[in-house]
Amino acid sequence: NAGVTQTPKFQVLKTGQSMTLQCAQDMNHNSMYWYRQDPGMGLRLIYYSASEGTTDKGEVPNGYNVSRLNKREFSLRLESAAPSQTSVYFCASSETNNYGYTFGSGTRLTVV
Amino acid sequence: TQLLKQSPQFLSIQEGENLTVYCNSSSVFSSLQWYRQEPGEGPVLLVTVVTGGEVKKLKRLTFQFGDARKDSSLHITAAQTGDTGLYLCAGRRNSGYALNFGKGTSLLVTP
Repeated sequence: NAGVTQTPKFQVLKTGQSMTLQCAQDMNHNSMYWYRQDPGMGLRLIYYSASEGTTDKGEVPNGYNVSRLNKREFSLRLESAAPSQTSVYFCASSETNNYGYTFGSGTRLTVV
Repeated sequence: TQLLKQSPQFLSIQEGENLTVYCNSSSVFSSLQWYRQEPGEGPVLLVTVVTGGEVKKLKRLTFQFGDARKDSSLHITAAQTGDTGLYLCAGRRNSGYALNFGKGTSLLVTP
């Protein structure tokens, strides 16, 4: 029972580099989310996708883009990484907006 | 803007003690959830409460949703070392969609 799978688990980027964080769920959930977790800041929503084909901005979308590739996959792209984007990134999914979330185990990103 | 404020921020107790952590807001939530997160892992859902005044029990954990649906509490009876972790509350407002998370209460239970 894989649940939500995030890749990679760890990544170090240089300032200005780009990368895509991958997320896939095998629970046939409709909704998917990207959060970042920083010390003292808690979990903050970056983008979410209520259903396949739709995406919306969350609390901290600047510097990020997302793609809901299909019902299973929701990717997060950093076009030009900045040190302020050093964080732990979590992908989550839920059956609908009224249900609890299932989280992946996170991607630890360091931008130097 | 942090909609949900959790207290205390840190808590260190010995095995066998009881504890309560709080989640407060000035906003009304249609539902509120509690998660536990262990180091290096994502949060795991413990419970969802949806009705004002609702009380749910999960073994030694008791969750309560405030009558006005603005606050919640988590009470742990006879804490065990396995209860150590970060406890997060998260709420969904009627007008919102995705969950808003509190900053969490970091609990350490020592033998």
